[in-house]
Amino acid sequence: DQQVKQNSPSLSVQEGRISILNCDYTNSMFDYFLWYKKYPAEGPTFLISISSIKDKNEDGRFTVFLNKSAKHLSLHIVPSQPGDSAVYFCAASVGGYQKVTFGTGTKLQVIP
Amino acid sequence: DGGITQSPKYLFRKEGQNVTLSCEQNLNHDAMYWYRQDPGQGLRLIYYSQIVNDFQKGDIAEGYSVSREKKESFPLTVTSAQKNPTAFYLCASSFGQGRTGELFFGEGSRLTVL
Repeated sequence: DQQVKQNSPSLSVQEGRISILNCDYTNSMFDYFLWYKKYPAEGPTFLISISSIKDKNEDGRFTVFLNKSAKHLSLHIVPSQPGDSAVYFCAASVGGYQKVTFGTGTKLQVIP
Repeated sequence: DGGITQSPKYLFRKEGQNVTLSCEQNLNHDAMYWYRQDPGQGLRLIYYSQIVNDFQKGDIAEGYSVSREKKESFPLTVTSAQKNPTAFYLCASSFGQGRTGELFFGEGSRLTVL
């Protein structure tokens, strides 16, 4: 049972434009959400997170939006850069520290 | 420099052999995790440990075993009972209870069964 879903396996965006990566979850107990970026043959690196008490969190070019009623979150990257090309994983947890459940990932390609 | 070290980076195993993947962290984190990555399946949790001498099964624990005798170390043994062990294995750590869920990952170990 996939509790965290990323339905788009890949996304291509022109450099300078906005990249929007989407994530849906089914477990209403999740209250902490994270996005990770991963290059091939490396471990994921943390990008940005959001608690369920918020609906938006920004960090530079990265913004995460949370819609609790729809059980949906999205990551916006503006402007997109070629170095952003990677696989992006959405993740969620209960209580912020217990087991973290990951989605299947979306491969983002930013075209120069 | 603080971080998580996984070894070996690449490992080959014959069918029927047990292998142990090492994971060491010097971040003073309480919690440690093992994930497995397969193409198209994202990261799946094998085992996690919130504190020394205690660990819990994740979503795909069958065929794996772990120990947590020291705070810094969380080795994973892939046993011969694991049906499809060829995968990329990732170890992670976090501050644990009462802190945010941000995980810090190692570089990964790629296991290939011949």
